[in-house]
Amino acid sequence: NAGVMQNPRHLVRRRGQEARLRCSPMKGHSHVYWYRQLPEEGLKFMVYLQKENIIDESGMPKERFSAEFPKEGPSILRIQQVVRGDSAAYFCASSPRESGISGNTIYFGEGSWLTVV
Amino acid sequence: GESVGLHLPTLSVQEGDNSIINCAYSNSASDYFIWYKQESGKGPQFIIDIRSNMDKRQGQRVTVLLNKTVKHLSLQIAATQPGDSAVYFCAERYSGGGADGLTFGKGTHLIIQP
Repeated sequence: NAGVMQNPRHLVRRRGQEARLRCSPMKGHSHVYWYRQLPEEGLKFMVYLQKENIIDESGMPKERFSAEFPKEGPSILRIQQVVRGDSAAYFCASSPRESGISGNTIYFGEGSWLTVV
Repeated sequence: GESVGLHLPTLSVQEGDNSIINCAYSNSASDYFIWYKQESGKGPQFIIDIRSNMDKRQGQRVTVLLNKTVKHLSLQIAATQPGDSAVYFCAERYSGGGADGLTFGKGTHLIIQP
């Protein structure tokens, strides 16, 4: 996990507020992935980004969720108008190249735990 | 869609014994597999990976076996230690399906008893 930095580690939001989760990939990694994990479940893919581009967002809910990975700065996962069902752990991962083609391993951060009250 | 699943949700073994965690996958086109370990409150930690052109790969105290005939993956941990207690996930990737990340199973909780 070393190198993929996520913050905040824990975030509490009231229903209707916005949540912003940040991820800085490992040094030298230009590919970022976001996953969501519900209690007692595996990780579900949300979105895959490269610098300034969203490559695959097939796992993102159609509304309220968005992600970006600007040229400068961390990747941001943004959840607008949060609801109780958004409570989960959100993990960011990074890889140096496209993991799916060459089998490059992706490395995970420690996660951001979102609690909606 | 295709799915990755695990046979046992919880596995309890005595400290010092060997453990085997099993995983079934259903996408015969998957060509890359990874085992991750996740401790409570932490992110998944890479353990070992294997490509579909191999049937066995060894690491330090861990061995991954791949049986493509029955689409089965297993993780063997030798001489288990208390620090091995965690949830273990297998994950598959189908490279021809685009760079959409890994598909994870639900996980097996490994409990090491003293």
